[in-house]
Amino acid sequence: ETGVTQTPRHLVMGMTNKKSLKCEQHLGHNAMYWYKQSAKKPLELMFVYNFKEQTENNSVPSRFSPECPNSSHLFLHLHTLQPEDSALYLCASSQVQRTGEETQYFGPGTRLLVL
Amino acid sequence: AQSVAQPEDQVNVAEGNPLTVKCTYSVSGNPYLFWYVQYPNRGLQFLLKYITGDNLVKGSYGFEAEFNKSQTSFHLKKPSALVSDSALYFCAVRDYYNAGNMLTFGGGTRLMVKP
Repeated sequence: ETGVTQTPRHLVMGMTNKKSLKCEQHLGHNAMYWYKQSAKKPLELMFVYNFKEQTENNSVPSRFSPECPNSSHLFLHLHTLQPEDSALYLCASSQVQRTGEETQYFGPGTRLLVL
Repeated sequence: AQSVAQPEDQVNVAEGNPLTVKCTYSVSGNPYLFWYVQYPNRGLQFLLKYITGDNLVKGSYGFEAEFNKSQTSFHLKKPSALVSDSALYFCAVRDYYNAGNMLTFGGGTRLMVKP
């Protein structure tokens, strides 16, 4: 798990707060992802960045705003969240290949609680 | 479209016995299949993947999985379970030519290995 790091590991925020989640990958990959993992629900892909360009936004509410300043860093900016947004937010990275064989490697996640 | 089903929410097995965690998939093209494991308060760890070639894939920690095209399955197996194998297991599929680099995950199966 040291290949992909996430901070903070735990976050409690009120519905009016603004906070940011940070992800950093040390694997030299060219793609990064945000996933949401809620209890009793499948892993949900939120955003995909290929070569720093956002290529996928999976109908995510605008209160979640991603930022990818370079291929090693990914942020998820949060504002005016709802209690149902409480979940484990996972970051992943991969080296995109033409053959599609690449493996995604995950960080440890940020456990978010919205009060 | 691509999808994955893990029909069992939980699998219970005694330590030392063989274990199987089931996964079936649906893709319109050729599947790339993955297994990940998640321990409490951790991210997903990659176990193994099937890309092409031998239908029996060997991975980390003694796990293996068998690709069966006719049954569209990719079941995870281990000959002798350990208590430390207790965790949440996710199957994932990528249909590269129809879904790019996006993975679709199953709902997860909790494996409980009892001493």
